[in-house]
Amino acid sequence: NAGVMQNPRHLVRRRGQEARLRCSPMKGHSHVYWYRQLPEEGLKFMVYLQKENIIDESGMPKERFSAEFPKEGPSILRIQQVVRGDSAAYFCASSPGINSPLHFGNGTRLTVT
Amino acid sequence: GIQVEQSPPDLILQEGANSTLRCNFSDSVNNLQWFHQNPWGQLINLFYIPSGTKQNGRLSATTVATERYSLLYISSSQTTDSGVYFCAVVDGGSQGNLIFGKGTKLSVKP
Repeated sequence: NAGVMQNPRHLVRRRGQEARLRCSPMKGHSHVYWYRQLPEEGLKFMVYLQKENIIDESGMPKERFSAEFPKEGPSILRIQQVVRGDSAAYFCASSPGINSPLHFGNGTRLTVT
Repeated sequence: GIQVEQSPPDLILQEGANSTLRCNFSDSVNNLQWFHQNPWGQLINLFYIPSGTKQNGRLSATTVATERYSLLYISSSQTTDSGVYFCAVVDGGSQGNLIFGKGTKLSVKP
């Protein structure tokens, strides 16, 4: 059973460009979570999605950031008009349901130049 | 929201030594997990332990939910144990998202 798959592993964008990060959950998992980790810090919750629904986006910046988890295909975290402060590692996790352990992918390292 | 405090923030050990890492949380939890983030940045699941005691090789963990703390024990440490250890919880009233502590950075010297 493949784990949580994230791609790309590394992403370099210039200021003002768009970044798209993809996450395929583990087989049988319908709950997806996105986290951001700044250098030398812990992980900060961004958004929690189930298929076609955003359940909790309390950690998402109000502007430029959006997330989706369509009926078919991976979950996408989209960052428009990136700025240098968006440089971070973005982790995706999935679980089969509430009160189940979360399993994390290897992350996408975004660098904004 | 729920607060998660980990101690110590940094720990240096000689290979072969034992250690105990602590995680305190400020409210009741539905889920508690321990993770190891290795030097390459990968997050490794160690334990899913909202209560009770579990063991996996040289690692074990205990959560006393009524007293709002969890402990991670590492015995006979190896250099490959180096990295950051995170405790993360889901508070009783949330939808399921994990709240992370700031971690304990462990360095094991040969």
